[in-house]
Amino acid sequence: QQQVKQSPQSLIVQKGGIPIINCAYENTAFDYFPWYQQFPGKGPALLIAIRPDVSEKKEGRFTISFNKSAKQFSLHIMDSQPGDSATYFCAAVLSGGYNKLIFGAGTRLAVHP
Amino acid sequence: DTGVSQDPRHKITKRGQNVTFRCDPISEHNRLYWYRQTLGQGPEFLTYFQNEAQLEKSRLLSDRFSAERPKGSFSTLEIQRTEQGDSAMYLCASSLALNGVANTGELFFGEGSRLTVL
Repeated sequence: QQQVKQSPQSLIVQKGGIPIINCAYENTAFDYFPWYQQFPGKGPALLIAIRPDVSEKKEGRFTISFNKSAKQFSLHIMDSQPGDSATYFCAAVLSGGYNKLIFGAGTRLAVHP
Repeated sequence: DTGVSQDPRHKITKRGQNVTFRCDPISEHNRLYWYRQTLGQGPEFLTYFQNEAQLEKSRLLSDRFSAERPKGSFSTLEIQRTEQGDSAMYLCASSLALNGVANTGELFFGEGSRLTVL
């Protein structure tokens, strides 16, 4: 019940394409859904996050779509660039907790020039 | 650099040896977390400190693992009698919570300590 399922495991797109990464959860007590970006040899860094009272959040080229009834959320990267090549993790946080992140397994994105 | 720092960045040890990792969080952050990340997987929660108090330990944290944050600042993670299955990246993160409420919900991660057990 505390799992976050992420797909696909890997993704290859051409520059300018729109990669989409999907996540699903079961526990309705999750109330904060961040996406983290990780480059090789680095720790994860927060990219964008959403709370379940909104259906979409956009920051620059990154958009989260959230479907509360389906318990699914996704990350869209508009006009993807080679510099976006990284591993992306969705995560979920339980309400009333202390920011304990439950991560998905990650999606390795490669953006080819 | 005022980010989360971890030391050492890489550690190679033989099975059965003890290892210790250190984490220095962002100075004003009162919350500190340890995660473990294996190849191709997302980080898995190990333990959490609020100031110097260890408030949660994952079932992943066997008796061979011990974490401390003695003065509410830096933290150490010790693994005794290492096993090959302990090989992983050990990530430390910190965050700030005021009056028990998280500031932004963001965790700031260090670059990790990679452990290889031969």
